[in-house]
Amino acid sequence: NAGVTQTPKFQVLKTGQSMTLQCAQDMNHEYMSWYRQDPGMGLRLIHYSVGAGITDQGEVPNGYNVSRSTTEDFPLRLLSAAPSQTSVYFCASSYSRPFSGRAGELFFGEGSRLTVL
Amino acid sequence: GENVEQHPSTLSVQEGDSAVIKCTYSDSASNYFPWYKQELGKRPQLIIDIRSNVGEKKDQRIAVTLNKTAKHFSLHITETQPEDSAVYFCAASNGNQFYFGTGTSLTVIP
Repeated sequence: NAGVTQTPKFQVLKTGQSMTLQCAQDMNHEYMSWYRQDPGMGLRLIHYSVGAGITDQGEVPNGYNVSRSTTEDFPLRLLSAAPSQTSVYFCASSYSRPFSGRAGELFFGEGSRLTVL
Repeated sequence: GENVEQHPSTLSVQEGDSAVIKCTYSDSASNYFPWYKQELGKRPQLIIDIRSNVGEKKDQRIAVTLNKTAKHFSLHITETQPEDSAVYFCAASNGNQFYFGTGTSLTVIP
């Protein structure tokens, strides 16, 4: 049972390049989400999904795209990288039941450190 | 949307003393309040959580209290140990979105 797996762990991009951060979980969690962590700003929600085929925006969605074609995978796409997207990105999943209004523990991946030059 | 404020941003205590971290939230629809611990270079991990129908919860040396009327909740760590040194984040959730505080860097001095 690997939990939440993120790849890559480190990535350097040039401004304007695109890339995809991969996230997979093997816990059969319906809920998955992406956060960015910047010094002094805590964790900010980018996008989340309450099940396959359903995605929604969080606090800071601009410049990012997501899709959820399977329960296991929730990739985050940077369409045209900017230096402001330099950050550590965390994927997290939860056993929360969708639409129940009842959140549960978030299980985080190890994080992906992205630098945009 | 929800706004979660966390204080203090840094906290140093002597080993064996208690540590208290406080958070406030703004959205009365928030009903779940977890606390996460993040060691340097590691992922955040849940240490304790509380739901809006409960006022206090304890787990060994860790306790969380919630005051729904005042919209604030606190983390209490007793008998602190060097391994408690980490960054602690509070969060508030309405079910689908989680809003995190900006973190408290706790240092326990041996």
